Amino acid sequence: EAGVAQSPRYKIIEKRQSVAFWCNPISGHATLYWYQQILGQGPKLLIQFQNNGVVDDSQLPKDRFSAERLKGVDSTLKIQPAKLEDSAVYLCASSFSPGQVLHSGANVLTFGAGSRLTVL
Amino acid sequence: AQSVTQLGSHVSVSEGALVLLRCNYSSSVPPYLFWYVQYPNQGLQLLLKYTSAATLVKGINGFEAEFKKSETSFHLTKPSAHMSDAAEYFCAVSGLKAAGNKLTFGGGTRVLVKP
Repeated sequence: EAGVAQSPRYKIIEKRQSVAFWCNPISGHATLYWYQQILGQGPKLLIQFQNNGVVDDSQLPKDRFSAERLKGVDSTLKIQPAKLEDSAVYLCASSFSPGQVLHSGANVLTFGAGSRLTVL
Repeated sequence: AQSVTQLGSHVSVSEGALVLLRCNYSSSVPPYLFWYVQYPNQGLQLLLKYTSAATLVKGINGFEAEFKKSETSFHLTKPSAHMSDAAEYFCAVSGLKAAGNKLTFGGGTRVLVKP
C-alpha cells in the first residue's frame, strides 16, 4: 500500500515570500490532516478535512495560511506571507472517516514524511 | 478538551536497559491513546494504540504500554533497549470517533541509546 506522499521535502524561503505544500493521502482515506511541528515540540493540528469539507481549522492562522482539498483527494497548504516563526515541518496525515472506522473504534492516522520549511 | 503531558524531553538509556517513557493525559471523554515514533527526517510511525480493550497494549519493535485510568497514564516501556530505538517518541490522545479523530500530541521524548 502506498503511503502518504508529500512534496517538497525541503523548502527555504525568505520572510514575506509565499510557499505551498502538496499532499496525496492514502487511497480511500476520506479524512486528511495538516499538522505543524516546530523543532522540539509535538505536532499541532492546523486543519482537518473530511472529503473536501473542513472539519476543524480552529488553529489555522487564517491571515496567512490557507488550505484546500478541492476534489476530496489531494490537498495543498499555502503560507503567504511567511514569517520566521513559520519555520517548521509540515506533516500531512490521512485516515478513514469516523463513519468508516471498523469495530476497533480508534481511527489510526498515517503520516507522510513531512515538508521542512526554513524561513530566513 | 484533551491534553497530553510527556515527562522528560530527553531520556538516555544504555543498550540492553529498560526504556520507560512517561505519558499522562487529560480527556473529558473516554480516550483513545497512541504512541508514535519519529526517526530523523521521517514522519510519525504508529507504535501502538489503546482503544478500551485490554489495558496492556503490545506494539511493534517490542514496545508495550499500560493504560491506567486511575492515574490517567499511558507509559511506554521496552524491556531491553536497542541502538535502533534511538528516536523521538510522541504520546497522543483522541476522543470519540464522532469528534473527528484528531490527535492531540505531547511534546515528545527524545531517546538516546548508549552502547
